[in-house]
Amino acid sequence: DIQMTQSPSSLSASVGDRVTITCRASQSISNYVNWYQQKPGKVPKLLMYAASTLQSGVPSRFSGSGSGTDFTLTISSLQPEDFATYYCQQSYSSPPYSFGQGTKLEI
Amino acid sequence: QVHLVQSGAELREPGASVKVSCKTSGYRFTDNYIHWVRQAPGQGLEWMGWISPKSGVPNYAQKSQGRVTMTLDTSISTAYMEVSRLTYDDTAVYYCARDGGFTKAEDGSFLRNGMDVWGQGTTVSVSS
Repeated sequence: DIQMTQSPSSLSASVGDRVTITCRASQSISNYVNWYQQKPGKVPKLLMYAASTLQSGVPSRFSGSGSGTDFTLTISSLQPEDFATYYCQQSYSSPPYSFGQGTKLEI
Repeated sequence: QVHLVQSGAELREPGASVKVSCKTSGYRFTDNYIHWVRQAPGQGLEWMGWISPKSGVPNYAQKSQGRVTMTLDTSISTAYMEVSRLTYDDTAVYYCARDGGFTKAEDGSFLRNGMDVWGQGTTVSVSS
């Protein structure tokens, strides 16, 4: 099975900062990575799919990159509503479609 | 508009079973796989498996094998997940989510989408 390892597990930042979260796959998965945002007590929300394609309605300050085994999610200028936990997930070939362990973005 | 509406919170004793429903609307049910994901208190997201609404064939995570059963009722566009022989470790919020399938990019290629619409979650508590 493919393992997804995110770093860091937590991150402190301020409004206006640029932040980057990384995700590494245990084997090459092309661009089959999705990113989700989850706020406390809320349902996860799809931010990005196919590594770099923004889901409809997601602000353009979010961007994604990577291919193969290494992927990044970048927020160009943090807004107050961006403080949440972020998860990567792989959807390569056959299941299981594992998640990373999450990155908690805090003030 | 696409919606996934799950059944309400459940409380079960250890050893019992629980069945969670996920009623979909706003799209053709047979077009998209349904995933099941759970989240234990204070923990991350765990993929449990998915089911094809077209064939009814599920695919389970190894950890789910033997205790989890995913089924469908296509007549009412509803997916179900049953967990048997519950233990305290099964206490979690259980989510269903629609798989977005493939999206055609501007260059004509197809991009693999993620879980694009989620149910509101069902809290399952296991307690004696």
